[in-house]
Amino acid sequence: DAKTTQPTSMDCAEGRAANLPCNHSTISGNEYVYWYRQIHSQGPQYIIHGLKNNETNEMASLIITEDRKSSTLILPHATLRDTAVYYCIVRGTSGTYKYIFGTGTRLKVLA
Amino acid sequence: NAGVTQTPKFQVLKTGQSMTLQCAQDMNHEYMSWYRQDPGMGLRLIHYSVGAGITDQGEVPNGYNVSRSTTEDFPLRLLSAAPSQTSVYFCASSPPTGFQETQYFGPGTRLLVL
Repeated sequence: DAKTTQPTSMDCAEGRAANLPCNHSTISGNEYVYWYRQIHSQGPQYIIHGLKNNETNEMASLIITEDRKSSTLILPHATLRDTAVYYCIVRGTSGTYKYIFGTGTRLKVLA
Repeated sequence: NAGVTQTPKFQVLKTGQSMTLQCAQDMNHEYMSWYRQDPGMGLRLIHYSVGAGITDQGEVPNGYNVSRSTTEDFPLRLLSAAPSQTSVYFCASSPPTGFQETQYFGPGTRLLVL
């Protein structure tokens, strides 16, 4: 499974869009990009995932570059409750079902 | 549905003691896994299971044993606790919907080994 690189921390003003980048330059063709978040000390929560097309759900949008080497998670109108650690994970479609979490990006939404 | 449940929520052990962390899910998920999270760190995969009777090692399996006798339960055993195993332990499960399944996490067990 490909490794990911994320900024350690980011700040975002409440009500503004939060754009969280992730680099996965070694991603292979059958690997999906997943995003999870962890609020305070709770268990991680699934946000969104995609292969190569942009995806949107009720929580966020996922933009994957055409070469698939990077992606951006967009929270369109960040609230204080979006303050969390956000994890970008790349996971293949064969074999081991392993999710490899990195250290993530600590997003702080400011009032 | 209760989702993924973990017991206990908090435990203190002395070095050398053994214990079992319990994990159960009522969603008929085939895939279950255990992670540990040290302070300020991301989650690291300890062991996982793709179905009853099938388990495999993750990134950091040493010092831990697992078994999967039923679909619902996936206990994690510490045979001889060490201070290095002080951590928060999360259990997760996924439905059998192919390789795009997402994981559902339990609330965690906080373990302190003295």
